[in-house]
Amino acid sequence: AQSVTQPDIHITVSEGASLELRCNYSYGATPYLFWYVQSPGQGLQLLLKYFSGDTLVQGIKGFEAEFKRSQSSFNLRKPSVHWSDAAEYFCAVGGEYGNKLVFGAGTILRVKS
Amino acid sequence: KAGVTQTPRYLIKTRGQQVTLSCSPISGHRSVSWYQQTPGQGLQFLFEYFSETQRNKGNFPGRFSGRQFSNSRSEMNVSTLELGDSALYLCASSLEGAPNQPQHFGDGTRLSIL
Repeated sequence: AQSVTQPDIHITVSEGASLELRCNYSYGATPYLFWYVQSPGQGLQLLLKYFSGDTLVQGIKGFEAEFKRSQSSFNLRKPSVHWSDAAEYFCAVGGEYGNKLVFGAGTILRVKS
Repeated sequence: KAGVTQTPRYLIKTRGQQVTLSCSPISGHRSVSWYQQTPGQGLQFLFEYFSETQRNKGNFPGRFSGRQFSNSRSEMNVSTLELGDSALYLCASSLEGAPNQPQHFGDGTRLSIL
């Protein structure tokens, strides 16, 4: 069965610093991978997705992610974090059962000025 | 284009009652999925509806049910509410529910059980 691990529950970075959020997935076939962001009291907003092709994908708000099959990872990166990026980030994998998404536990990002 | 709309945003119920939540998908989207989000269990898939038929189901008891109407709007019902049902219920829509079609989420319904 599919599963997703986000090893970091909380991460704090300084504004302007770079960011990397880790995501590892478990799935035998080619996965469909997603990163979502959730601000307090809001739903989930899609940042980016990977289905196939180029392993480096660009998303909204300056985020990118790299798919590494050998490491079963799909880490999210941003070169310079803004205070408005403070939120909770979820990695998700799909494809095993239709469009059912399996989510990681989430990483809460705090940005300090 | 309007996003996914969930109503109501907040609900307070007591144990044993039942509740119905509503979701209007993005115009043109025919697949609607429901997820439960709790601090302890995280985000968990409840079920998916497509063309008025439940196509996929998560591991939840039969107290959780849903339906979809011909205009793709969906409702979720929870009967005999328990304290553990307190959660944020999120609805997501996609064009046809294929795995390579991104799901767009609403802002959720916050359900509190007293």
